[in-house]
Amino acid sequence: GNSVTQMEGPVTLSEEAFLTINCTYTATGYPSLFWYVQYPGEGLQLLLKATKADDKGSNKGFEATYRKETTSFHLEKGSVQVSDSAVYFCALSEGGYSTLTFGKGTMLLVSP
Amino acid sequence: EAGVAQSPRYKIIEKRQSVAFWCNPISGHATLYWYQQILGQGPKLLIQFQNNGVVDDSQLPKDRFSAERLKGVDSTLKIQPAKLEDSAVYLCASSLSTSGRNEQFFGPGTRLTVL
Repeated sequence: GNSVTQMEGPVTLSEEAFLTINCTYTATGYPSLFWYVQYPGEGLQLLLKATKADDKGSNKGFEATYRKETTSFHLEKGSVQVSDSAVYFCALSEGGYSTLTFGKGTMLLVSP
Repeated sequence: EAGVAQSPRYKIIEKRQSVAFWCNPISGHATLYWYQQILGQGPKLLIQFQNNGVVDDSQLPKDRFSAERLKGVDSTLKIQPAKLEDSAVYLCASSLSTSGRNEQFFGPGTRLTVL
């Protein structure tokens, strides 16, 4: 079956540091890949997505590139802010259907 | 545009009691999802509706969980009787259709504590 593996958190950074959150996946076909973010007390929000190999999703300074050869979709940001503190979830959907398989989530804590 | 609404936001019950959660999706969204998010884990799909029909309920514990979307708009998820391991956040989401290219929009969730 499909699965998503994320690096364990929490990831603790100082403001303006570089961020990488690793995500790898297992799928039988050609999935679409997503990063969702969950701010404290709020629901999940789509951060970015990529639907085919070598696509780069980007939003709010965050980027992730769909790497089929390494089955990865790592999230990066060049300079994090305190307001980026949240839980980040990597997810996939396959076969043109919207059912999402999520990773366990990675908590990011950014200090001033 | 109003987002996905859920109620209640918090619920505390004793084991073996019953509980119901309500979800109102974004207007015009045909597909509705219920997820269970246990602390420290990612959301897990319980059931997916397309209008008022069930698309996928393979991970719904049908001996105690039930869900309906009778008029193809809002939905109710019920647990009867609840167990300690049902303590989790129950998330509702909606999307325009079942296509994987349609974004899912999530509600704030209902946090259930079973004592």
